Amino acid sequence: GDSVTQMEGPVTLSEEAFLTINCTYTATGYPSLFWYVQYPGEGLQLLLKATKADDKGSNKGFEATYRKETTSFHLEKGSVQVSDSAVYFCALSVNTGGFKTIFGAGTRLFVKA
Amino acid sequence: GAGVSQSPSNKVTEKGKDVELRCDPISGHTALYWYRQRLGQGLEFLIYFQGNSAPDKSGLPSDRFSAERTGESVSTLTIQRTQQEDSAVYLCASRPGLAGGSSYNEQFFGPGTRLTVL
Repeated sequence: GDSVTQMEGPVTLSEEAFLTINCTYTATGYPSLFWYVQYPGEGLQLLLKATKADDKGSNKGFEATYRKETTSFHLEKGSVQVSDSAVYFCALSVNTGGFKTIFGAGTRLFVKA
Repeated sequence: GAGVSQSPSNKVTEKGKDVELRCDPISGHTALYWYRQRLGQGLEFLIYFQGNSAPDKSGLPSDRFSAERTGESVSTLTIQRTQQEDSAVYLCASRPGLAGGSSYNEQFFGPGTRLTVL
């Protein structure tokens, strides 16, 4: 079945460090890929998405590129801030008569000042 | 416009009692999802409604769990005879569908209901 695997956390970085959170997927169809973020005490919100191969999603300095050949959608940011501390979820959605979305387990990021 | 709302925000109940959780999706959104998030863990899919189609109930963990949706509006998730392992945050999300343009497959989440079973 369809699945999403992302790197386990927590990830702890100093401010201005480079961030990579790995995400790989398996899907029977051609999925759309997403990163959602959950800030402390808040609900999940979409961070970025990509709907076809080689698309790059970007938002708030974060980027992720849809790599069909490696079935990956790694999240990157060049310089993290304390305010980026949150839980990040990779997800996929495939149209199989409906859009059921599969989420990864989440990666908690702590950024120290 | 208003986002997805859920009520109550917190619910404490005793083991064995029934609880009902409510979700009001964004107006016009055709799809609605329920998830469970246990403390420190990821999202566990429970059930998915799409328009007038039969719901996808494949994620419901037991027959104590059920959900209904009235048309394309409010949904209720009912847990009967609650157990301590049901303690979690229950999240609802809605999705606009094809009328949502580029956001057609994006989910919009509510703040969740934190359920504690004593």
